[in-house]
Amino acid sequence: DAGVIQSPRHEVTEMGQEVTLRCKPISGHDYLFWYRQTMMRGLELLIYFNNNVPIDDSGMPEDRFSAKMPNASFSTLKIQPSEPRDSAVYFCASSSYGGATEAFFGQGTRLTVV
Amino acid sequence: RKEVEQDPGPFNVPEGATVAFNCTYSNSASQSFFWYRQDCRKEPKLLMSVYSSGNEDGRFTAQLNRASQYISLLIRDSKLSDSATYLCVVNGGTGGFKTIFGAGTRLFVKA
Repeated sequence: DAGVIQSPRHEVTEMGQEVTLRCKPISGHDYLFWYRQTMMRGLELLIYFNNNVPIDDSGMPEDRFSAKMPNASFSTLKIQPSEPRDSAVYFCASSSYGGATEAFFGQGTRLTVV
Repeated sequence: RKEVEQDPGPFNVPEGATVAFNCTYSNSASQSFFWYRQDCRKEPKLLMSVYSSGNEDGRFTAQLNRASQYISLLIRDSKLSDSATYLCVVNGGTGGFKTIFGAGTRLFVKA
């Protein structure tokens, strides 16, 4: 298995532009998590899905952020419009059994908004 | 109060030293507990699960105290390769299966 795959690995965009981050979870995993990591705030849970359904989006910072999971093998995190304070590393992770077992992370997308 | 709190670090220790990290969590209904390791500019990876009875994996020992809502990680005979950030992770509870990470504790092991 290739593991959790995220794209792009790096993204540099101008303030105000729309940014879409992509994630392919490990096949068979029914939980998918989106995290944001910064030096100041550490690793923050933004939203998680179970069987493609969003369960808890209380970590999504603002309405500018949205996430979808149209099927079991694909999820997106969109920021529109982007702002410089959105600059961070965004990780996607997947797991089975609700996280009672290991969560596997993608390599992350390093987003820079200028 | 954060849901998961860890020692801020950084910890600077010589090779061969024993070092301990602590973590507290606020949700008493939490169900699963883990320690993850994150190397610089890499993704977090599972180091070990934490069980109520305590568990050991080579030089690493993890303990869970549910009454005090406290988790610990002990590293014996530190190696240079142990230098990383160690993340305390808590999962589950009344809020569902949220997997919450602590901010991490940085460890530097020096020769």
